[in-house]
Amino acid sequence: DGGITQSPKYLFRKEGQNVTLSCEQNLNHDAMYWYRQDPGQGLRLIYYSQIVNDFQKGDIAEGYSVSREKKESFPLTVTSAQKNPTAFYLCASSSRDGEETQYFGPGTRLLVL
Amino acid sequence: GENVEQHPSTLSVQEGDSAVIKCTYSDSASNYFPWYKQELGKRPQLIIDIRSNVGEKKDQRIAVTLNKTAKHFSLHITETQPEDSAVYFCAARGGSYIPTFGRGTSLIVHP
Repeated sequence: DGGITQSPKYLFRKEGQNVTLSCEQNLNHDAMYWYRQDPGQGLRLIYYSQIVNDFQKGDIAEGYSVSREKKESFPLTVTSAQKNPTAFYLCASSSRDGEETQYFGPGTRLLVL
Repeated sequence: GENVEQHPSTLSVQEGDSAVIKCTYSDSASNYFPWYKQELGKRPQLIIDIRSNVGEKKDQRIAVTLNKTAKHFSLHITETQPEDSAVYFCAARGGSYIPTFGRGTSLIVHP
């Protein structure tokens, strides 16, 4: 789990503002994921990417966007269309073949001002 | 798609007791079942996992059992300690390679 990082640790968003959460991994993993965590809701999948330049919507993609231009990086943008963005955001990665274990980053807590 | 139900949502035990957390899944094609432990404000970390060709797996005080016919799997923690206090998540992964998580169980171990 030490090979996947997220920044910032805390992020404050103003009304109508887009904000971007960073996720980087040096594990040479092909697949990367973004989850949103709310109390009592478990981990809900926002977007995932199984290969560079390709990504798919998860269960709660509305109001979010991603890009996957490099294998190591999978940034998440929380747009102004996401009306309830306050949550703990977790990025994860895994190898496509063989080992299935997901490794999680330390998370970013997003708060609305 | 896959649906994972996890119970109980909160579990309170005395130090030294055993704790059992149960999950059910809906997709019979699911073949990989990890369990994660998440301490307050920290990232989830894998503690044990099981594949569909195995009925039980043990690692020191932690064990996981899988009943494919009934589509349920359980986490067993014996001789609980205060440092076991955390939120535990189960997950099931099938042919899509995307795991579906349960809602989590908050385990509280009282000294």
